[in-house]
Amino acid sequence: AQSVAQPEDQVNVAEGNPLTVKCTYSVSGNPYLFWYVQYPNRGLQFLLKYITGDNLVKGSYGFEAEFNKSQTSFHLKKPSALVSDSALYFCAVGGGATNKLIFGTGTLLAVQP
Amino acid sequence: DTAVSQTPKYLVTQMGNDKSIKCEQNLGHDTMYWYKQDSKKFLKIMFSYNNKELIINETVPNRFSPKSPDKAHLNLHINSLELGDSAVYFCASSQGFRPSTDTQYFGPGTRLTVL
Repeated sequence: AQSVAQPEDQVNVAEGNPLTVKCTYSVSGNPYLFWYVQYPNRGLQFLLKYITGDNLVKGSYGFEAEFNKSQTSFHLKKPSALVSDSALYFCAVGGGATNKLIFGTGTLLAVQP
Repeated sequence: DTAVSQTPKYLVTQMGNDKSIKCEQNLGHDTMYWYKQDSKKFLKIMFSYNNKELIINETVPNRFSPKSPDKAHLNLHINSLELGDSAVYFCASSQGFRPSTDTQYFGPGTRLTVL
């Protein structure tokens, strides 16, 4: 069965520091991996997607994610965090044998000024 | 321009009532979805329609019935509302017909509170 895990409920980082939000996945076949962000009282916004090719995927708002096949991970990164990046981040996996997108439980990113 | 819109944004109602949530997308997408986000922010798909045809129907009580009058609209009707139905309901849409691989775009959500 396909699954995705976000091991951290919350990540705290100081403004200006690099940030990483972790995601690992399990899928039979080639994975399609997504990151979404949810600001308070808003819908999910698409950040980036990995299909195939370059392991480093660049997305919106300066975010990028690194696909690591051997570690089955797709961590979200940003070189310099902003207070406005504070939000709930969801990793999702698709592809393989499933007909739907499986979302992780979300990681709350808190960026302190 | 609003890409995926939902009405109403907030819905407060009594147990046992019947209510509907409407969703419209102006992206020209072929597939639409309903998701439920519970109080712990866990997101779970409920239904998906491709060009008015039901393609995903998760284990959802049959009190929930989706209706798609055309490919730009997907409404959710809920009968005999229960306390446990309180959640935020999100509509989404995607370009193709492969829910597990196409990028989905979400609406702003409808917060349903059942008293």
